[in-house]
Amino acid sequence: EVQLVESGGGFVQPGGSLRLSCAASGFTLSNYDMHWVRQTPGKGLEHVSGIDTNGGASYYVNSVKGRFTVSRDTSKNTVDLQMASLRPEDTAVYYCARGRYCSGTRCYLIPYAYWGQGALVTVSS
Amino acid sequence: DTQMTQSPSSLSASVGDRVTITCQASHDITFSLNWYQQKPGKAPKLLVYDATNLEAGVPSRFSGSGYGTDFIFTISSLQPEDIATYYCQQYANLPNTFGQGTKLEMK
Repeated sequence: EVQLVESGGGFVQPGGSLRLSCAASGFTLSNYDMHWVRQTPGKGLEHVSGIDTNGGASYYVNSVKGRFTVSRDTSKNTVDLQMASLRPEDTAVYYCARGRYCSGTRCYLIPYAYWGQGALVTVSS
Repeated sequence: DTQMTQSPSSLSASVGDRVTITCQASHDITFSLNWYQQKPGKAPKLLVYDATNLEAGVPSRFSGSGYGTDFIFTISSLQPEDIATYYCQQYANLPNTFGQGTKLEMK
């Protein structure tokens, strides 16, 4: 069974740092791009960051560039989001989600069929 | 970025009603459009992928249509358990942008 479990959320003051981790099981993590999507209270969904299968390419929404870093650890089957210089507007539930599948040189665009349960990040003084 | 314009933002309907939600992309995304259902406190759940394909296990009263920039999501006969917020998402381009959501309420 495919499972994604986030951890590391919590309360932090503006300017602080937090590291979210997404533990994957039930599939071969190295075959999939992984994404972070956040949802601000009462608002919609925003694609914040993504990382490709071998960690060679990553994506960040403009508002977090230079502050957030996404990484993956195949040995631990985890994908992490290191968040620094946090702002009140970063307050949100952060979800990890499984994306594109790649095997060898071939990749297949697939939708976000699997999501974690979400990790709440609260940035406030 | 590809902007996704979803409407309406909220909708009130009765059991058995046909419900329609539209989503318009700012650029041609061919068929790379997904629809998700989200209930309070839960992660989004994939219902329809690639504009028209029903995810396994999803009831057949849900359907999607469209191509290019204009897409439609339909619930043919609304059930009480369908009360939720629905989002479209394009995944043709990064970022994989979402529509603003449609909150569906029971009349």
